[in-house]
Amino acid sequence: DSGVTQTPKHLITATGQRVTLRCSPRSGDLSVYWYQQSLDQGLQFLIHYYNGEERAKGNILERFSAQQFPDLHSELNLSSLELGDSALYFCASSHTMGQMDYGYTFGSGTRLTVV
Amino acid sequence: AQKVTQAQTEISVVEKEDVTLDCVYETRDTTYYLFWYKQPPSGELVFLIRRNSFDEQNEISGRYSWNFQKSTSSFNFTITASQVVDSAVYFCALSGNGSGTYKYIFGTGTRLKVLA
Repeated sequence: DSGVTQTPKHLITATGQRVTLRCSPRSGDLSVYWYQQSLDQGLQFLIHYYNGEERAKGNILERFSAQQFPDLHSELNLSSLELGDSALYFCASSHTMGQMDYGYTFGSGTRLTVV
Repeated sequence: AQKVTQAQTEISVVEKEDVTLDCVYETRDTTYYLFWYKQPPSGELVFLIRRNSFDEQNEISGRYSWNFQKSTSSFNFTITASQVVDSAVYFCALSGNGSGTYKYIFGTGTRLKVLA
């Protein structure tokens, strides 16, 4: 157990629907990162939150949004889902905004299948 | 721009052979970090090693070793005496603070198949 908890582990939903992926960071970690792993795009950075504030955005679609709550857990919301959104979504946490510790701790991922 | 290239898409070896996975990176950051992760069929990302840009010492951990060369912008990973359990996809990643966040830039991964 890495200490980063992602729920649900698997999710199957229909096109056009909306889903919420949840991430609880490792205790004490203030930074949360979201990544998408798809067959055609590989592992791509989506968004970074630090202590409740958005710090950076990557290749995140407008249909996707995220937030980090006061208790530091984060949610990634995916709406108007398309078949191409099927992917493994990873959350990672780190204590600082930088790399003063030993890098990220990744969660085990949420596998989203859009049918 | 930051970029990580893993030119080897898939490698197959017979058990007990040595195998080297190549990683070449590009960055303009003066301080950056390099990582290797293993992704077994179960899907999770398993951390293997972290190296910062100021530390060019090679590292050995059991059957694993890493060769970091700034002169060629490479961070190669060698598995000695490979085992079937080493079969996985291996990702090299780069992280720097050039854009104000320590996001990871991943390579496309190398799928390693170790045959019994």
